[in-house]
Amino acid sequence: ETGVTQSPTHLIKTRGQQVTLRCSSQSGHNTVSWYQQALGQGPQFIFQYYREEENGRGNFPPRFSGLQFPNYSSELNVNALELDDSALYLCASSFGTSGRETQYFGPGTRLLVL
Amino acid sequence: AQKVTQAQTEISVVEKEDVTLDCVYETRDTTYYLFWYKQPPSGELVFLIRRNSFDEQNEISGRYSWNFQKSTSSFNFTITASQVVDSAVYFCALKTSYDKVIFGPGTSLSVIP
Repeated sequence: ETGVTQSPTHLIKTRGQQVTLRCSSQSGHNTVSWYQQALGQGPQFIFQYYREEENGRGNFPPRFSGLQFPNYSSELNVNALELDDSALYLCASSFGTSGRETQYFGPGTRLLVL
Repeated sequence: AQKVTQAQTEISVVEKEDVTLDCVYETRDTTYYLFWYKQPPSGELVFLIRRNSFDEQNEISGRYSWNFQKSTSSFNFTITASQVVDSAVYFCALKTSYDKVIFGPGTSLSVIP
């Protein structure tokens, strides 16, 4: 059973650019959630995808968007990057959306916006 | 609204000491789930435990134990005989049935040899 993987591990972009982060869910999981973790803070929920549909969204602007593919892998896209978007982006996978499920996290992508 | 408070920002202990990490949560829902995650310097969040609101039984797993008290809305985590490998940031998290996971701000634990 493979765990959650994310790519790339590190990324440097400049303000105004666009970025795409990728996540492969753990085997058997059909739900992917994305989190932003600023330095020294807890993760903040961005959105969740279940069976290729967005299934909940946190307080993030529309320039944060996502996709989930038939194999349940997922992408996080951020347009018009701002300096405050510099953070660790974490992907978590789980099975179902009942509320009881446990999310398992990937190693994250560290994004630096200059 | 849901909220998780971890009042201890940083804790330092000497190896082999016991340490308790505090977590206080707020929710109006009667059904909810509480989690603890460990985040070592590598950045990956490691799942430690999940507890649902109907199960107040304390749990012990090796050197780790958890004390869930609904009366005080607390879900505290104790490490017995701490080791250097326990050094990490620990997050308490709350999830209600149809809402997102809310993480606390984390407690940074340093275990000094």
